[in-house]
Amino acid sequence: DARVTQTPRHKVTEMGQEVTMRCQPILGHNTVFWYRQTMMQGLELLAYFRNRAPLDDSGMPKDRFSAEMPDATLATLKIQPSEPRDSAVYFCASGRDTGFNQPQHFGDGTRLSIL
Amino acid sequence: GESVGLHLPTLSVQEGDNSIINCAYSNSASDYFIWYKQESGKGPQFIIDIRSNMDKRQGQRVTVLLNKTVKHLSLQIAATQPGDSAVYFCAENTGYKLSFGAGTTVTVRA
Repeated sequence: DARVTQTPRHKVTEMGQEVTMRCQPILGHNTVFWYRQTMMQGLELLAYFRNRAPLDDSGMPKDRFSAEMPDATLATLKIQPSEPRDSAVYFCASGRDTGFNQPQHFGDGTRLSIL
Repeated sequence: GESVGLHLPTLSVQEGDNSIINCAYSNSASDYFIWYKQESGKGPQFIIDIRSNMDKRQGQRVTVLLNKTVKHLSLQIAATQPGDSAVYFCAENTGYKLSFGAGTTVTVRA
């Protein structure tokens, strides 16, 4: 089965450091989503791309987070500078926007710990 | 505000029995719903979906029921197995956005 691939799976770093998380969407999918999961907030949408264009980043703290899609096979989420409150699991999901409702398919996430 | 929520946070079920996981939603304009399963250390895994023009949809050992009158969604798992132990989320699709419920933790007893 095709899968969304995320790297790294785990990241531990000190506050103030830059963190880059990468995602390879499923081949043929034209929508990409970044989510953050914490015990307190559950799954929160951070950013949404369609055909590599950012359409919604209202869930991201703009001063420190940025999301890009350099090409159709790579999406990145960066945090600079990182803070302890950014500790969470970050998921990437991809889907096909065909005009009809289609499910999003998730990767296994990057578990981020900011010390 | 409108949200998707789950009735019970935990469910313990005997292996071999059927499981029923419930979900309430409040946005009457929602037209697409998805159930996900999340195992420890993994991402949410798509189980089954249903559109609002349907009342029932069946998959392999799973059935989703949609009652639009009372805005209720349920997931039935037949002959529950140890591998079914996980957190189950219902999600409501509004445009491109998924709104997730808090999740129900299912534990299968041997």
